[in-house]
Amino acid sequence: DIQMTQSPSSLSASVGDRVTITCQASQDITKYLNWYQQKPGKAPKLLIYDVSNLARGVPSRFSGSGSGTDFTVTINSLQPEDIGTYYCQQFDDLPQTFGGGTKVEIK
Amino acid sequence: QVELVQSGAEVKKPGSSVKVSCKAPGGTFISHAISWVRQAPGQGLEWMGAVIPIFTSTLYAQKFQGRVTIIADDSTTTAYMELSSLTSEDTAVYYCARAPVLCRGGTCHPNHYDLWGQGTRVTVSS
Repeated sequence: DIQMTQSPSSLSASVGDRVTITCQASQDITKYLNWYQQKPGKAPKLLIYDVSNLARGVPSRFSGSGSGTDFTVTINSLQPEDIGTYYCQQFDDLPQTFGGGTKVEIK
Repeated sequence: QVELVQSGAEVKKPGSSVKVSCKAPGGTFISHAISWVRQAPGQGLEWMGAVIPIFTSTLYAQKFQGRVTIIADDSTTTAYMELSSLTSEDTAVYYCARAPVLCRGGTCHPNHYDLWGQGTRVTVSS
């Protein structure tokens, strides 16, 4: 199985800060990488697909990049509504696997 | 409103089975796969498998092979996930999720999950 390692596992930042979450795959997954945001008690929500494409309705302060084994999602100016847990997901091979999650909090 | 609607919470005894349903909007099965993803309490997301109705195809994570069955009923656009031989380790929230299908190299897989069900809590306890 392809292992997805996210870092950090949690972070606390101030409103307006630039925040970056990284995701590393245990093998080359080229461009087959998505990001999700999950709020407590809710289902995950698609944030970014195919590395860098914003899902419908996602604010432009979010962006994604990377290829091969190393990927990032960046929040350009953190807002209070951005709190939650972020997961990367690879769909290059089965089983599809998710990273362990990064919990984002407001300082 | 476009949504996936799942069946309600379940409490099961160890060794029994659970079947969870996921009602999708009409037309979903023409172009989308339905996957099942679970989340144990305080844990991350775990992909269990998928059904691709247009190709009459099912895909399962090896971890659940032999214990999980995923089907799609075209007539009602409802997907089902049945998990057998339950243990306490299966206590989790189970989500269905819709994805467009990506085909490459002769195989087709779910792509990105753009619509999720509300989740079904399954508790396994004696």
